[in-house]
Amino acid sequence: AQSVAQPEDQVNVAEGNPLTVKCTYSVSGNPYLFWYVQYPNRGLQFLLKYITGDNLVKGSYGFEAEFNKSQTSFHLKKPSALVSDSALYFCAVREPGNFNKFYFGSGTKLNVKP
Amino acid sequence: GAGVSQTPSNKVTEKGKYVELRCDPISGHTALYWYRQSLGQGPEFLIYFQGTGAADDSGLPNDRFFAVRPEGSVSTLKIQRTERGDSAVYLCASSRTSGGGNEQFFGPGTRLTVL
Repeated sequence: AQSVAQPEDQVNVAEGNPLTVKCTYSVSGNPYLFWYVQYPNRGLQFLLKYITGDNLVKGSYGFEAEFNKSQTSFHLKKPSALVSDSALYFCAVREPGNFNKFYFGSGTKLNVKP
Repeated sequence: GAGVSQTPSNKVTEKGKYVELRCDPISGHTALYWYRQSLGQGPEFLIYFQGTGAADDSGLPNDRFFAVRPEGSVSTLKIQRTERGDSAVYLCASSRTSGGGNEQFFGPGTRLTVL
């Protein structure tokens, strides 16, 4: 069965510090992995994706994520957090051969404090 | 450029009533998706359209839920005999095609409250 886990409901980090939001997945085959961000009263916004190739992918707003096949993880990272990064972050996976749907994690609330 | 739009933004209804939620995808996007997001959860897949046809409706919870996309653009999610458990944010997304590497663009959602 396909699943995505975001083990932390909330992550707190001080502005200027590096941040990591964790995601692990369980799918058969090689997954397509995505990160989305959700601001209050707004739709999900695409940040970045991993399809194939270099395990480190860079996305919008200075975010990056590293695909680790052996650990089945796709953690979201940013070297220096901004207060404006505070939002809800969702990891999502698509299974090859079944591109009809995303499977989303439960979300991680990122709080960046000044 | 216009993104995905959804109307209404909020809908309050009474148990047992019928509701329709509308999604206007990005122009030219052939794939359209509906999701439901309950409080504290990630979006949950409901149905996927490729063009006018529902290619995958495996996520619809029961036969009270139905969706159409008659002209391959605007889609309407229809819920009959609403129940309190249907209360959630209903999200619509579209993508250029259904290819796995294509990201989906999401609308702001319709918050449905069933009293």
